[in-house]
Amino acid sequence: GESVGLHLPTLSVQEGDNSIINCAYSNSASDYFIWYKQESGKGPQFIIDIRSNMDKRQGQRVTVLLNKTVKHLSLQIAATQPGDSAVYFCAENMGAGNTPLVFGKGTRLSVIA
Amino acid sequence: SQTIHQWPATLVQPVGSPLSLECTVEGTSNPNLYWYRQAAGRGLQLLFYSVGIGQISSEVPQNLSASRPQDRQFILSSKKLLLSDSGFYLCAWSRKQGAQGLAGSWETQYFGPGTRLLVL
Repeated sequence: GESVGLHLPTLSVQEGDNSIINCAYSNSASDYFIWYKQESGKGPQFIIDIRSNMDKRQGQRVTVLLNKTVKHLSLQIAATQPGDSAVYFCAENMGAGNTPLVFGKGTRLSVIA
Repeated sequence: SQTIHQWPATLVQPVGSPLSLECTVEGTSNPNLYWYRQAAGRGLQLLFYSVGIGQISSEVPQNLSASRPQDRQFILSSKKLLLSDSGFYLCAWSRKQGAQGLAGSWETQYFGPGTRLLVL
């Protein structure tokens, strides 16, 4: 899609502060959402997921919020650490079986020590 | 547990040379397989995906091709590389809807370590 060619937006956060990364998704029929973390030179890693029948899910230091009304997804990272510096991608499953996820354009999180 | 391998990790090739990148998955059967490309500082571009042996869906027309000769093997190829083929190539797998015996949601895609390709 067209977002593939765009430079990633960057979020800079002080170490110890909370980070909030936002994502707007496209399809109101999407029923499953994932956040991935990609460190430099590595493949994306699964962080947390959420189904459309939920509006919040918590993991270890991470929380995903889903607002289906405005088609918005956010990832909150508590007490951000230098190891959290990475690119974060949201992805949605559009509800069709065995089809690829649709990925957002990604956000680069930079943690300032 | 399931693991996904890609090789080589890094590759430098001259323009016009052929390409073959390999991806294999262990610990599962009949996975869906995907090839993505990522330019430096950019997002993920889906190139191909496969739901079974010999079944390839192409998302972006280009000089690349993909093949799935075995259930857990996915190969990305080119007959003649272009400068614009440089990038980070990622393979991913997911399980089939309704597949049993694995933790997590069937929709989740799991990525390999990637191959960095530089075409000169």
